[in-house]
Amino acid sequence: DAKTTQPNSMESNEEEPVHLPCNHSTISGTDYIHWYRQLPSQGPEYVIHGLTSNVNNRMASLAIAEDRKSSTLILHRATLRDAAVYYCTSNYGGSQGNLIFGKGTKLSVKP
Amino acid sequence: NAGVTQTPKFQVLKTGQSMTLQCAQDMNHNSMYWYRQDPGMGLRLIYYSASEGTTDKGEVPNGYNVSRLNKREFSLRLESAAPSQTSVYFCASSFSTGRGETQYFGPGTRLLVL
Repeated sequence: DAKTTQPNSMESNEEEPVHLPCNHSTISGTDYIHWYRQLPSQGPEYVIHGLTSNVNNRMASLAIAEDRKSSTLILHRATLRDAAVYYCTSNYGGSQGNLIFGKGTKLSVKP
Repeated sequence: NAGVTQTPKFQVLKTGQSMTLQCAQDMNHNSMYWYRQDPGMGLRLIYYSASEGTTDKGEVPNGYNVSRLNKREFSLRLESAAPSQTSVYFCASSFSTGRGETQYFGPGTRLLVL
């Protein structure tokens, strides 16, 4: 019973924007939406997180739907170094603090 | 500032052997976690430690034990390794177990059990 639904894979051209979607219909009102990415043979790396409002940082932007059932990670100009598996995650109300990861979206970036 | 470090990077074990995976963080975080990642899958929580002196089971604790040695270090022990424990193991830490907390991950330990 997947908590999040993401496309298995996406492709982008270098220097173009990328919009990575995620559905998280069972998220509660107080659960943050976190995005991590995992480069080959490395541990997951924090990208961005938010609760209700759209968020921006130096790596990306996060657009959260008004009903919070979906969100979109936006990479404004994809580079070859952005090729990774991107995970949309949350702790879904758990008290343990751990994040529940799905299979993520594998992003390929073409030169 | 090394962040989260893990040793060893890679290990091969025979069925029935034991080993301890080491994890340390230098960010003064209170909470630490052990996850495993199987091919093509997301991460699953094995054990976590909300604060120094406490440990609790996660989603897949069977076959593992943990020790929160001090605030910096959190080790994972396999007492009798099985082929089903072949996986990549990631340690993570965060300031607390609060919902908005960012987790910082180590580079992983790749374990092969024959």
